[in-house]
Amino acid sequence: AQSVTQLDSQVPVFEEAPVELRCNYSSSVSVYLFWYVQYPNQGLQLLLKYLSGSTLVKSINGFEAEFNKSQTSFHLRKPSVHISDTAEYFCAVSDRTGGFKTIFGAGTRLFVKA
Amino acid sequence: DARVTQTPRHKVTEMGQEVTMRCQPILGHNTVFWYRQTMMQGLELLAYFRNRAPLDDSGMPKDRFSAEMPDATLATLKIQPSEPRDSAVYFCASGDRADTQYFGPGTRLTVL
Repeated sequence: AQSVTQLDSQVPVFEEAPVELRCNYSSSVSVYLFWYVQYPNQGLQLLLKYLSGSTLVKSINGFEAEFNKSQTSFHLRKPSVHISDTAEYFCAVSDRTGGFKTIFGAGTRLFVKA
Repeated sequence: DARVTQTPRHKVTEMGQEVTMRCQPILGHNTVFWYRQTMMQGLELLAYFRNRAPLDDSGMPKDRFSAEMPDATLATLKIQPSEPRDSAVYFCASGDRADTQYFGPGTRLTVL
């Protein structure tokens, strides 16, 4: 079985500042890792994912995450945030062998202040 | 632009009433998920289907919840009888690979 821990429930940050949203996972098997974003009153959208290969993955809007197997972490970072990045971010994990079932973390609310 | 659609978007009902939520997955996707999101519990997987067959419904209260896929273009989630603690946002998601799920906009359910 897998589990996901998002270490911060809320992260307030000023516009143009860097941000890191932390995620740790546990699993006895190899996993896929994901970050999803949820804007107010909307469903979740895939932000980025790690499947294999390079441990650093990037999104089209400037976010990046690094898979660290030894630390069992998949932290999300952005060097300079915008007001429009205000949203809830979910880290998720799925078992490579178990099909599509995905376990989500509790979410981190990123609040970008002007 | 293919999307998952859910109806209704909002539902207010009284305790004891039956509630049916519907989801149209993206055409060609063979896996459909139902999630429930609340402030207290976060995002919980209720059930999921592959090729219309239920694979896992262990997250669903069996006595009052039921999920079905009558055909490849429709998934339903029913609650009978509904209770105030069922108030939540219910999301449907679909996918055709293990590496991405596409979420619908959700049904916000309020049970009075």
